[in-house]
Amino acid sequence: NAGVTQTPKFQVLKTGQSMTLQCAQDMNHEYMSWYRQDPGMGLRLIHYSVGAGITDQGEVPNGYNVSRSTTEDFPLRLLSAAPSQTSVYFCASRIYRDRMDGYTFGSGTRLTVV
Amino acid sequence: QQQVKQSPQSLIVQKGGISIINCAYENTAFDYFPWYQQFPGKGPALLIAIRPDVSEKKEGRFTISFNKSAKQFSLHIMDSQPGDSATYFCAASIDYKLSFGAGTTVTVRA
Repeated sequence: NAGVTQTPKFQVLKTGQSMTLQCAQDMNHEYMSWYRQDPGMGLRLIHYSVGAGITDQGEVPNGYNVSRSTTEDFPLRLLSAAPSQTSVYFCASRIYRDRMDGYTFGSGTRLTVV
Repeated sequence: QQQVKQSPQSLIVQKGGISIINCAYENTAFDYFPWYQQFPGKGPALLIAIRPDVSEKKEGRFTISFNKSAKQFSLHIMDSQPGDSATYFCAASIDYKLSFGAGTTVTVRA
């Protein structure tokens, strides 16, 4: 049981480039989400999904796309990278109906846009 | 604008001492209040959580105190140990979507 796996761990992009951050979980969790972590701001929700084929926007969705074709995978796409997207990105998952259960977070992707 | 305000930004405590972190919120629709612990280079991990119909919850050395009327909640770390040195985030949830505080870096001196 690997939990939540994020790849890559580190990435440097040039302004305007696109890329996909990968997230996979093997716990059969319905709920998956993407957060970005910036100093002094905690974690902010980018996009989330409550099941395959269902996605919705979080607090800071601009510049990012997501899709959920399977229960296991929830990739995050940066369409045209900007320096403001330099951040640490975390994917998280949980069982949808169990309110008191916590989210399981991946170990993060550190992205630098130059 | 952050929906959950957390203080202090950092604190230093001696081994065996008590660490206290405070959070405040405005949205009364929040229905779940977890605390996460994060070590450098790792993702956050759930530490303890409380629902708004409970005033206190204790798990080992960690206690959440919840004041619904004041819209405040706090984390107390008793008998702090060097292994507790980490960043702690409070959060609040609506419909399973988390809003996080800015985080508190706790350093426990041996």
